[in-house]
Amino acid sequence: DAGVTQSPTHLIKTRGQQVTLRCSPKSGHDTVSWYQQALGQGPQFIFQYYEEEERQRGNFPDRFSGHQFPNYSSELNVNALLLGDSALYLCASSPGGAVTYGYTFGSGTRLTVV
Amino acid sequence: TQLLEQSPQFLSIQEGENLTVYCNSSSVFSSLQWYRQEPGEGPVLLVTVVTGGEVKKLKRLTFQFGDARKDSSLHITAAQPGDTGLYLCAGVGNQGGKLIFGQGTELSVKP
Repeated sequence: DAGVTQSPTHLIKTRGQQVTLRCSPKSGHDTVSWYQQALGQGPQFIFQYYEEEERQRGNFPDRFSGHQFPNYSSELNVNALLLGDSALYLCASSPGGAVTYGYTFGSGTRLTVV
Repeated sequence: TQLLEQSPQFLSIQEGENLTVYCNSSSVFSSLQWYRQEPGEGPVLLVTVVTGGEVKKLKRLTFQFGDARKDSSLHITAAQPGDTGLYLCAGVGNQGGKLIFGQGTELSVKP
């Protein structure tokens, strides 16, 4: 049973560019959340998608946007990249928003902005 | 704003020693989760505690949720090099859905 799949695994972008990260949730999971993890820090919540709608959003600027598709997969888009956007971006899935039972995380996409 | 403070940030011990990691907040959480993360990987769920005062054991790991559901601890008995990694506590926010993570504890167990 495949877990959460993220692509690409690594990415290098130039300041000002735009990037799209992709996530396929674990089979049977319909809720996808995105987190940003800076080096040496705990993950920070970006937003959560359920039934193709953004259900909750953290303290991230509008440059961060997302989408969920009918097959529950999701994309994270970041526009006008800044050096400070360099981080590990994690996708996590759960069944029906049942956070109580824990998320399944992907291995992440390491984004480097130069 | 709900925050979780985790301590210590770094811990380097010898194989066989015991250790405790603490996770504290001034806010109440409906549940609290502990994850372990290895380099280049995403966090992996170890345990979820839901009830105030709850204690859960996972082999040599013991997890406790505070009576007031504001704090939690992770105790490892007789640590082994395979326990090395980043340990993260995460509370379920009061708006539901999102996890609020502590800063993490980087544990190194030397043989």
